[in-house]
Amino acid sequence: DAGVTQSPTHLIKTRGQQVTLRCSPKSGHDTVSWYQQALGQGPQFIFQYYEEEERQRGNFPDRFSGHQFPNYSSELNVNALLLGDSALYLCASSPWAGANQPQHFGDGTRLSIL
Amino acid sequence: AQRVTQPEKLLSVFKGAPVELKCNYSYSGSPELFWYVQYSRQRLQLLLRHISRESIKGFTADLNKGETSFHLKKPFAQEEDSAMYYCALNPRTDSWGKLQFGAGTQVVVTP
Repeated sequence: DAGVTQSPTHLIKTRGQQVTLRCSPKSGHDTVSWYQQALGQGPQFIFQYYEEEERQRGNFPDRFSGHQFPNYSSELNVNALLLGDSALYLCASSPWAGANQPQHFGDGTRLSIL
Repeated sequence: AQRVTQPEKLLSVFKGAPVELKCNYSYSGSPELFWYVQYSRQRLQLLLRHISRESIKGFTADLNKGETSFHLKKPFAQEEDSAMYYCALNPRTDSWGKLQFGAGTQVVVTP
């Protein structure tokens, strides 16, 4: 089991553009969460998806949106990119059944905005 | 609002010396606390969780609700313990799964 996989590994965009990041959860996991990790900071929760619906949301603007597919994989979309969106974006998965199960993280996508 | 504070950005210790990473939290309810670790060129991974009350790689952490702390300790540091450590809080409410992380502590163990 490869665990949580994310693509692409690195991405360079310019201000105003839009970006889509992808995540496949660990086998057996049906819940996907996304985090933004700026340089020198801990991960910040963006949102969580379960049964193809957004279940939780952190303090991020509507420019950040997501989607979950029937196979539990997920996408994170960011519109109208700003320089401040430059960060490592982490995907984490966990099983919904049985709350408080620890989340498993992917390697992340490094997004750079020029 | 929930908050996790790790006051030390960098902790440098000698091999064989004790190491303690501090974590304080603010939360109105009864949270679940975790320690995550990130070794060089590896992904973030769970080190331990307070409800397990177990020792992983020689590390232990006790939840002190009176002091709202969850400090991570190891009596004898090893070079392979050099890594970035994050304390994280998971609310035991409808917001479960919305992990709140501290800023992290970089541990460097020198021979």
